[in-house]
Amino acid sequence: GIQVEQSPPDLILQEGANSTLRCNFSDSVNNLQWFHQNPWGQLINLFYIPSGTKQNGRLSATTVATERYSLLYISSSQTTDSGVYFCAVGNTGGFKTIFGAGTRLFVKA
Amino acid sequence: DAGITQSPRYKITETGRQVTLMCHQTWSHSYMFWYRQDLGHGLRLIYYSAAADITDKGEVPDGYVVSRSKTENFPLTLESATRSQTSVYFCASSDGSGTYEQYFGPGTRLTVT
Repeated sequence: GIQVEQSPPDLILQEGANSTLRCNFSDSVNNLQWFHQNPWGQLINLFYIPSGTKQNGRLSATTVATERYSLLYISSSQTTDSGVYFCAVGNTGGFKTIFGAGTRLFVKA
Repeated sequence: DAGITQSPRYKITETGRQVTLMCHQTWSHSYMFWYRQDLGHGLRLIYYSAAADITDKGEVPDGYVVSRSKTENFPLTLESATRSQTSVYFCASSDGSGTYEQYFGPGTRLTVT
């Protein structure tokens, strides 16, 4: 089945810094989402982005489907950005979703 | 708009007991999903359903049973709970028309002693 790798596994930032999180996948996908799991365990949808580029405030994402990767950019990080960021993908049938192991982000005040 | 809810939020049960986790969504989404999340890991798909009375296995279905008699409900049953099923369980739903985007419930933390 499809493999999903996220990097880096852990990231510590000073408030105000920018960061880039990466998601590599081993096969073509027709479904890719980025989620933020906050410290209370809630999974928050960030982007649905099987291809192309999207922006939402300080966050933006780009998926280059032909090269099998997606990037999540966080600019001017805030302490509330702390948590775990997951990339999730699906290919054949779309709904059999595979999650990466996540990037754990801690933003220091 | 309640969205997607799960009950109970916390459950402690003993090995060998049957336990059912409930999931309810108010969006009339066609697709519903069950995932488990173990400490330090991402989520793994247990079962999903494309519509009432249509279900299919995910990555880790062994030890679990699902049913979907109504579009809005998707219960997950552990017929004989084992310690390895101690986990946080998330339910999700998706509209399924033109998008595979999934929306998650708050999770149920299950401990099997």
